[in-house]
Formats: sequence, structure tokens, C-alpha cells
Amino acid sequence: GENVEQHPSTLSVQEGDSAVIKCTYSDSASNYFPWYKQELGKRPQLIIDIRSNVGEKKDQRIAVTLNKTAKHFSLHITETQPEDSAVYFCAASTGGGNKLTFGTGTQLKVEL
Amino acid sequence: NAGVTQTPKFRVLKTGQSMTLLCAQDMNHEYMYWYRQDPGMGLRLIHYSVGEGTTAKGEVPDGYNVSRLKKQNFLLGLESAAPSQTSVYFCASSFQPDTGELFFGEGSRLTVL
Repeated sequence: GENVEQHPSTLSVQEGDSAVIKCTYSDSASNYFPWYKQELGKRPQLIIDIRSNVGEKKDQRIAVTLNKTAKHFSLHITETQPEDSAVYFCAASTGGGNKLTFGTGTQLKVEL
Repeated sequence: NAGVTQTPKFRVLKTGQSMTLLCAQDMNHEYMYWYRQDPGMGLRLIHYSVGEGTTAKGEVPDGYNVSRLKKQNFLLGLESAAPSQTSVYFCASSFQPDTGELFFGEGSRLTVL
């Protein structure tokens, strides 16, 4: 089955800096790559996703890039703010009845 | 529109006891899921359902059973709780299978002593 590795496990940045979280996946047939944000004590929520027919997608301060050849995708957060502090999960799916496989999460801390 | 709701939010069990977690969604989603979240291990799929009356095993199904008698409800049961089942459990639903947004409940924290 699919295996998703996520790095780093913790990330600390200064407010206003950029943050990058990276994930690799094992199944070359994977075609859907979402990112979920989970604030402390809250439920995970989708913040952005990308499908294998595009290489990059942006939504205001967040962007996701996908490199199908290398089988990795990344989340980029620019101009970080304290409210960006949370755990971020990447995931991958091949579709066709195969469920999402999640990475182990990255604890992002934005320091003032 | 409440989205996905889970009950109970917290529960403490003794080893060997049984319990049921209830998940309800009001978005008319066909697909429902149960995940467990443990520190450093992300979200792992326990069981899922692709429609009323159907259930299927996920990544970590052992020790759990599920039922989907009504489209809006998905129940997760522990017949004989073990300390290894101490975790936070999340229910989720989706409009699309596999490649669509998951809508999560608030989570249920279960402690097995």
C-alpha cells in the first residue's frame, strides 16, 4: 500500500518568515494530495489540495508544489502569522477505492 | 447545519469493557470513516463505509467493529477495550470517495485503564 513520509516533525519559525513542509509518497499511481491543518484540540481541516495534473497551486499565503517524478510534494506558507501555529498533515491517495494515507504530521510553531 | 458530530467527547473505560462511539452527519454524504490519532503516528483509518448498509476495513481494524444502518450515522464499537486503544478517535465524511475533502468531527478522547 501507499506510504507517506513527512518532514520535519517539528518546525519553528519567526513571524513573517516562510515555512516549508515536505512529504514523499511511495505509490506512483497516487493522484490526489491534500493538506490538513489541525489546531490544538480541534478537528483537522482541509487547507489546500493538488491533483497530479498540476504542478503547483496557490491560495493566498499557502501554496503546494508537486513533483511526480521524484514523488514528493510540499506545503509552503509565506509571511507566517501566529494563527498558522498548528499541526499540518499531508496525505496521498490513488483513488479507485484506495483511501487516503496520511503523513505523521508537522508541528509548526510561529514565534513572535 | 451541524456538519459531523461525535458522541461522547470523552470516555474512560476499564480494560475489557465495551463501548460505542456515535458519528452523525447532516450533509447527506455517502462516505464515512473512522480514524484514530496517536502522537507521532498521524491519522490511521480504522474502518470506512461507502454507503448505507456497507462497511469495510481500513489500515488498523483489529479490535473494532462498525455499523452503518442509516446513511447519516456511523457507529464504532469496541467489544473488549484494551489500553492500546487509548487514543483520540475522529469520524469523517465526504461527498467524493478517496479524492475529495474529508469533513471531520470534533474527536472523541478515549482512555482505557
